[in-house]
Amino acid sequence: DQQVKQNSPSLSVQEGRISILNCDYTNSMFDYFLWYKKYPAEGPTFLISISSIKDKNEDGRFTVFLNKSAKHLSLHIVPSQPGDSAVYFCAAQGGGKLIFGQGTELSVKP
Amino acid sequence: DSGVTQTPKHLITATGQRVTLRCSPRSGDLSVYWYQQSLDQGLQFLIQYYNGEERAKGNILERFSAQQFPDLHSELNLSSLELGDSALYFCASSVGDRAEAFFGQGTRLTVV
Repeated sequence: DQQVKQNSPSLSVQEGRISILNCDYTNSMFDYFLWYKKYPAEGPTFLISISSIKDKNEDGRFTVFLNKSAKHLSLHIVPSQPGDSAVYFCAAQGGGKLIFGQGTELSVKP
Repeated sequence: DSGVTQTPKHLITATGQRVTLRCSPRSGDLSVYWYQQSLDQGLQFLIQYYNGEERAKGNILERFSAQQFPDLHSELNLSSLELGDSALYFCASSVGDRAEAFFGQGTRLTVV
């Protein structure tokens, strides 16, 4: 039962362009959403979050959008930089649980 | 440095054995989450504790158990280990609900 889904295992983007990572969730109890960045054999690093009462949150080059009716969130990175290359996980929180998607590997090419 | 400390960093043990993984949360954080990441897999939620009480359970096997102590550190106990239990085990802590969780560096468990 995959409650949080990232359907794209990988994404390749040119440096300077926009990266858009997508995430869908199924459980209406989730009311707080987060994005994390992860390198191999390291713990995930928190990037940005959004409460279910908002539809957008921005922090520098990172913006998260939430569409509650579609149960969909996305992370926009503008402009993308080679140092952004990593695996990105979305996560949804509710009822004491913090559930992660399977991750999308972003590759930003110079 | 996230402020979350996990020990040990690496653990090699034999099938059938029992191990204990330890997590010290960030100062002030009351919630502790445990996750398992197997090779090429995502982060599987195991269990969450809040201020000493079990709050939510995920896909945690009956051979696994956890607890959170009065000083808020947490331990994950894995028993009757099988080869398939080899994975990275992460803990994370947060102040509570609707707050970002910060992860430790993980414990790599290898069962031989």
